[in-house]
Amino acid sequence: DAKTTQPTSMDCAEGRAANLPCNHSTISGNEYVYWYRQIHSQGPQYIIHGLKNNETNEMASLIITEDRKSSTLILPHATLRDTAVYYCIVRGSTSGTYKYIFGTGTRLKVLA
Amino acid sequence: KAGVTQTPRYLIKTRGQQVTLSCSPISGHRSVSWYQQTPGQGLQFLFEYFSETQRNKGNFPGRFSGRQFSNSRSEMNVSTLELGDSALYLCASSNGDHTGELFFGEGSRLTVL
Repeated sequence: DAKTTQPTSMDCAEGRAANLPCNHSTISGNEYVYWYRQIHSQGPQYIIHGLKNNETNEMASLIITEDRKSSTLILPHATLRDTAVYYCIVRGSTSGTYKYIFGTGTRLKVLA
Repeated sequence: KAGVTQTPRYLIKTRGQQVTLSCSPISGHRSVSWYQQTPGQGLQFLFEYFSETQRNKGNFPGRFSGRQFSNSRSEMNVSTLELGDSALYLCASSNGDHTGELFFGEGSRLTVL
């Protein structure tokens, strides 16, 4: 499973865009990039995932570089409720590889 | 649609005892996976069950085991508890598709004294 590297922590002003980077330089062609977040004492929550194209949903946007070695999760208008630990995960799509390897994540603090 | 339900939410055990945790997945989901979360090690994958069969396993000792029933409900068991087993145990369900996202429960917080 490819490994990911994320900054330990980041701050973002409320109402501004939060851009969370992730490095996955060893990603292989059939591996997807997933983002989850975990608000204190709760189970992780799915945010978004993608393979090579940029993706957007009601929660966030995912920008994947052309070489797929890194990605950025964008929360367009961060609120205090977005304060959480954000995990970037690379997961294989081949049959039998179903385990997610969670790294240490980025602790995002949204400031009022 | 009901979410993932884990029971019990909190429990306290002593060293040497065993514990069984339960997870009811989202209706229609056939995959259940288990994770251990500790402050020092973060979220670590334990195992995944799909249609009553263990499909994948993490690097945990044999004291950690699990099973899945025909209704997709899953249990995990930890025998001969050690202090280091104190953790939040999270269960996640999915449809089992290789791109399916995980839906996590609130977890079972185990304290070993």
